[in-house]
Amino acid sequence: KNQVEQSPQSLIILEGKNCTLQCNYTVSPFSNLRWYKQDTGRGPVSLTIMTFSENTKSNGRYTATLDADTKQSSLHITASQLSDSASYICVVTQRYNDYKLSFGAGTTVTVRA
Amino acid sequence: DTGVSQDPRHKITKRGQNVTFRCDPISEHNRLYWYRQTLGQGPEFLTYFQNEAQLEKSRLLSDRFSAERPKGSFSTLEIQRTEQGDSAMYLCASSGLAGGTDTQYFGPGTRLTVL
Repeated sequence: KNQVEQSPQSLIILEGKNCTLQCNYTVSPFSNLRWYKQDTGRGPVSLTIMTFSENTKSNGRYTATLDADTKQSSLHITASQLSDSASYICVVTQRYNDYKLSFGAGTTVTVRA
Repeated sequence: DTGVSQDPRHKITKRGQNVTFRCDPISEHNRLYWYRQTLGQGPEFLTYFQNEAQLEKSRLLSDRFSAERPKGSFSTLEIQRTEQGDSAMYLCASSGLAGGTDTQYFGPGTRLTVL
């Protein structure tokens, strides 16, 4: 079964601090991995996308890494801001079924002043 | 605004009533998806259209659920005889394969509460 597991389930950090979110997946064959940010009551918004050959991808203060051999990814948030408070969802696409995404349950990040 | 739009944003209904949601995708996108999301979980796939053709339906989509995309543009999702377990956020997404990876763009969702 294609699964995506995220950890931690939630975390609280102080404004200006860094944090790292983890994602493990069993989706095979692998096509790509995305990190989405979902604000409360809104739809998810894509932050980064990585294919098999990409190890790291940055989008401003967000940096995603991918180890396709161990099937692990991480999302690092640098110098967190209050607006980073959201749920971060790891999404993996299976090759040959690119329309069907496998979603993790998300990590809820709360940034406090 | 050229993003994915959904209407209504919130719907409260009584058990047993029928509800219909609308999704307007990004205009040049030929693919449209419906998802259901409950609190603390990632979205679950419900169904997928390519143009006006419904190509796949999840087992989650019981016979009380029906989705249409009659002209390959907007889509509707209808739930008949709603149950309390149908309470969730219903998300619509669209995508258009453009020579590479196919990123889905999500709408803001319709939050359904069944009393």
